[in-house]
Formats: sequence, C-alpha cells, structure tokens
Amino acid sequence: GQSLEQPSEVTAVEGAIVQINCTYQTSGFYGLSWYQQHDGGAPTFLSYNALDGLEETGRFSSFLSRSDSYGYLLLQELQMKDSASYFCAVRDPGANNLFFGTGTRLTVIP
Amino acid sequence: DTEVTQTPKHLVMGMTNKKSLKCEQHMGHRAMYWYKQKAKKPPELMFVYSYEKLSINESVPSRFSPECPNSSLLNLHLHALQPEDSALYLCASSPRTGTGNTIYFGEGSWLTVV
Repeated sequence: GQSLEQPSEVTAVEGAIVQINCTYQTSGFYGLSWYQQHDGGAPTFLSYNALDGLEETGRFSSFLSRSDSYGYLLLQELQMKDSASYFCAVRDPGANNLFFGTGTRLTVIP
Repeated sequence: DTEVTQTPKHLVMGMTNKKSLKCEQHMGHRAMYWYKQKAKKPPELMFVYSYEKLSINESVPSRFSPECPNSSLLNLHLHALQPEDSALYLCASSPRTGTGNTIYFGEGSWLTVV
C-alpha cells in the first residue's frame, strides 16, 4: 500500500520562505509529484521529481531523496495567493492511480 | 485555467433522484479519472478509463456508475445516493496511464445529497 505523511498546517509570513515536507512509504516508487489546491478549486500540478535532487520552477522548488523516502516543496517569496492546500502524490502504476498525501494547509499572513 | 471542464459546478439531489455529472477534455488525453474529495481530505480515486475502457474501479458502490462515451467525454451517473456521498467530485485526465504522465484536474462538481 501507499502512505504519504505531511504536516497538516503551516503558517508563514508574506515574503518569507516555507518548506512543506512529505515522507512516504510505498510499494514501488515512480516519482513524487506536488499539487496545489485553492479552496473551492481544482488540484493543480506544480512539480514532479523522478530522481534525487532539486527541481526549480520559478518561486517553487521540489526536492527528493529516495534513500530517505522523503521530499519537500519549497516556496520562496511567499505571496498571499499562495495560501492553499498542498499535496504530495505518487503514482501507483499497478492501479493507474495518483495516490495523494494527507495534505498541508498553508496560510500566508501579512 | 484547467482544460478539463466539468458540469454542473453545483448539484443538490435527493436520495431517490437520478442525476449525472459530466466531464470533457480536448487535450487528446486517453486516460480519464473520477476522484472523490471530502472536506479537508485528499482526493481519492473512484474510476479510471484508459482508451475508453474501464480499467480500474476502486470498489465504488454501484450507486455510482461511470460512462465513457468517447475519448473526450466522461460521465458519472448517480442514483439512490446517501447523504455521506456529499463531496467534491473531480474529473481528471492524462495523456495515458502510466507513471510519467501528469494528471490534470477539472474544477470539480460539488454534490450535496439531501
């Protein structure tokens, strides 16, 4: 089975940097994805790490360590619009499924 | 903006009603999905269609019935639902099934069963 754990809530100040962690236990591993979901909206793809290391996309970066079964999403220069829920996710190829982590609610304050 | 379009955005139905949720994508994707999401929870897979054939049914009750009329359309037929079925229903698509394919979600249909 799959298990992905995230902190339930994180609060950070506008302009700051925040890191959202994800630890996973999976039967087979094919990369870690990150999704953002605003209240009332759709989950939106942010990034994907298939290999160890850092992937950077603008203000967002994602890191993966397969040996530690751990990844994180780094958000820089936080803006109020970054307030949302963030999910890590893994593909379960046997079931053609995207299995989501528990989710982290990020609140950005002035 | 998402290129996966879902209708209706909001639906209220009684436990004896029959209704349908609709989903459309024009990205040429050959895999389409239905997910269910309860408040403050992650999305959970219900059904997967690959090349218009149902490939995965995650033990979903028969009161939910999916249909894939063609490669661009996906429906979810609802009948005799229970109040606990109230949730956000998300449609998604990907170029194909498989680990290298990003999944794109629609805005969802908010369902309330009364």
